[in-house]
Amino acid sequence: GEQVEQRPPHLSVREGDSAIIICTYTDSATAYFSWYKQEAGAGLQLLMSVLSNVDRKEEQGLTVLLNKKDKRLSLNLTAAHPGDSAVYFCAVRSGSFNKLTFGAGTRLAVCP
Amino acid sequence: NAGVIQTPRHKVTGKGQEATLWCEPISGHSAVFWYRQTIVQGLEFLTYFRNQAPIDDSGMPKERFSAQMPNQSHSTLKIQSTQPQDSAVYLCASSSGTGNGEQYFGPGTRLTVL
Repeated sequence: GEQVEQRPPHLSVREGDSAIIICTYTDSATAYFSWYKQEAGAGLQLLMSVLSNVDRKEEQGLTVLLNKKDKRLSLNLTAAHPGDSAVYFCAVRSGSFNKLTFGAGTRLAVCP
Repeated sequence: NAGVIQTPRHKVTGKGQEATLWCEPISGHSAVFWYRQTIVQGLEFLTYFRNQAPIDDSGMPKERFSAQMPNQSHSTLKIQSTQPQDSAVYLCASSSGTGNGEQYFGPGTRLTVL
């Protein structure tokens, strides 16, 4: 089955710096890619999702890049601020109504 | 739109007791998913329903776990004879039948089995 690896597990950046999180997946049939944010004691907040026909998507200080050849997905938080401190998960699925397969998560700390 | 609602937020049970977790999907969403989150295993898929019908339960433990969706407004996850290893956060998500099928999550139920 699908396997997703996410790195780094922990990331600490200074306020205003960029933070980059990378996921790799194994199933070439994977067609839907999402990033979620989880704050302490809360559920998963959908940040952004892209389809396999999209290479790059930018929204509100977030950039998602998709490299289908290398089966790699990345999330770039530009100009991070302390409110971005949370755990971030990538999630992939092969079909519109299929289950999500998650990465292990990245704990991001943004220091003032 | 209240989002996905899960109750209770926290549940503590003794070993061997039964636990029932509730999920109310976003109104109008046709699919409901259940996931489990632990420190060791991370986020794992359990089961999902579409238009109230069970579609995929490949992640459900074979014994003691069951899920139902008796109507379009709620789904339940029942764990019989709970064991300490069932302690986890159980997350419910719902998805509409349009667009890219993004899944929106509830706040989760933290189950602690003593």
